[in-house]
Amino acid sequence: KNEVEQSPQNLTAQEGEFITINCSYSVGISALHWLQQHPGGGIVSLFMLSSGKKKHGRLIATINIQEKHSSLHITASHPRDSAVYICAVSDETSGSRLTFGEGTQLTVNP
Amino acid sequence: ETGVTQTPRHLVMGMTNKKSLKCEQHLGHNAMYWYKQSAKKPLELMFVYNFKEQTENNSVPSRFSPECPNSSHLFLHLHTLQPEDSALYLCASSQGAGRYKSGANVLTFGAGSRLTVL
Repeated sequence: KNEVEQSPQNLTAQEGEFITINCSYSVGISALHWLQQHPGGGIVSLFMLSSGKKKHGRLIATINIQEKHSSLHITASHPRDSAVYICAVSDETSGSRLTFGEGTQLTVNP
Repeated sequence: ETGVTQTPRHLVMGMTNKKSLKCEQHLGHNAMYWYKQSAKKPLELMFVYNFKEQTENNSVPSRFSPECPNSSHLFLHLHTLQPEDSALYLCASSQGAGRYKSGANVLTFGAGSRLTVL
């Protein structure tokens, strides 16, 4: 069992739908990261959070430290949101040591 | 462009070749990283450099040899690789790499170098 589990593995949505991607982890962490990877490989850091909720445009990330769970929400989804979304957690003792989930492949159809 | 530039973007090499991957950042960051992404697997940390000093080696085989001449440049020297080493190699940088500090550990990734070992 991975230390970081994401669900679902694959998600297909229609344009405009509200999307939720979940991440559960089993280790003590100092922070949780949400990353976006487009075809071709480049990865963009979307959020780093250690408590509560963060919002950037149509993206919202929440974390519940007690339940060891985080969600990434996309409102009013668009085909350009199609990408792999990766959850990663920072080790308690070293901010540089990230453990990654396997990613969620999101496809948004027009 | 994210501020982290990787070259080459694609590399095909035989098992007896020696090649190098290069990473450069002009973000003023002090920490640089090499990650490996194999098909259908999560990203794996390979090496971390903080202020030019290697602080993490995640049990990487010696056929991968990192070099960090300064805080802006990071190399990954490759020799006698195996076909299973074929993967996307991603470089990243961050302001710092020590104990968690808000904002300092946010990673900026390069576009990656796609390596194929024949």
